[in-house]
Amino acid sequence: ETGVTQSPTHLIKTRGQQVTLRCSSQSGHNTVSWYQQALGQGPQFIFQYYREEENGRGNFPPRFSGLQFPNYSSELNVNALELDDSALYLCASRTWGRLNSPLHFGNGTRLTVT
Amino acid sequence: AQKVTQAQTEISVVEKEDVTLDCVYETRDTTYYLFWYKQPPSGELVFLIRRNSFDEQNEISGRYSWNFQKSTSSFNFTITASQVVDSAVYFCALSEAEGETSGSRLTFGEGTQLTVNP
Repeated sequence: ETGVTQSPTHLIKTRGQQVTLRCSSQSGHNTVSWYQQALGQGPQFIFQYYREEENGRGNFPPRFSGLQFPNYSSELNVNALELDDSALYLCASRTWGRLNSPLHFGNGTRLTVT
Repeated sequence: AQKVTQAQTEISVVEKEDVTLDCVYETRDTTYYLFWYKQPPSGELVFLIRRNSFDEQNEISGRYSWNFQKSTSSFNFTITASQVVDSAVYFCALSEAEGETSGSRLTFGEGTQLTVNP
């Protein structure tokens, strides 16, 4: 069973730039969620994708957007990067509708905005 | 709004000691899920347990045990005979049990850094 994989591992961007982070869901999972984890804090929910549509969003502005592909892989896009966007971005997957399907997380992408 | 509080920011113990990590939550939902995750330095959040709000039975898994008390809105985690490999940040989390983001939209606490010294 392949787990959740994310790329790249680390990324450095300049304020105002755009970034795309990628995620491959665990095999058999059809729902993907993205989280932002600032240093020393707990992860915060950004949004969830199911059937290639966003169907749940946390308190994040529209410059945070995503895509889910037919093979259940996913992208997180962040436009007009700000210094406060520096964080660990975690992707997680599970199976929609299966009660005993907890979220499984990847190792994350560490984004630094300078 | 949901909220999870982990009052212990850091805990340091010596190997083989027992240690309990506290978690208190707030929610207006009548049904919900509670979780514990472990985050080693590698960054990956490792799932440990999920508890349904209807199920107040305590659970034991090897050296790990969980005490869920709905009356006090607490879901504490105990590691018996701690080992150096248990050193990590531990997160308690809460999720609604109904709706489209059930089980996916987790509200996490701030985490407890556990250090087990040899």
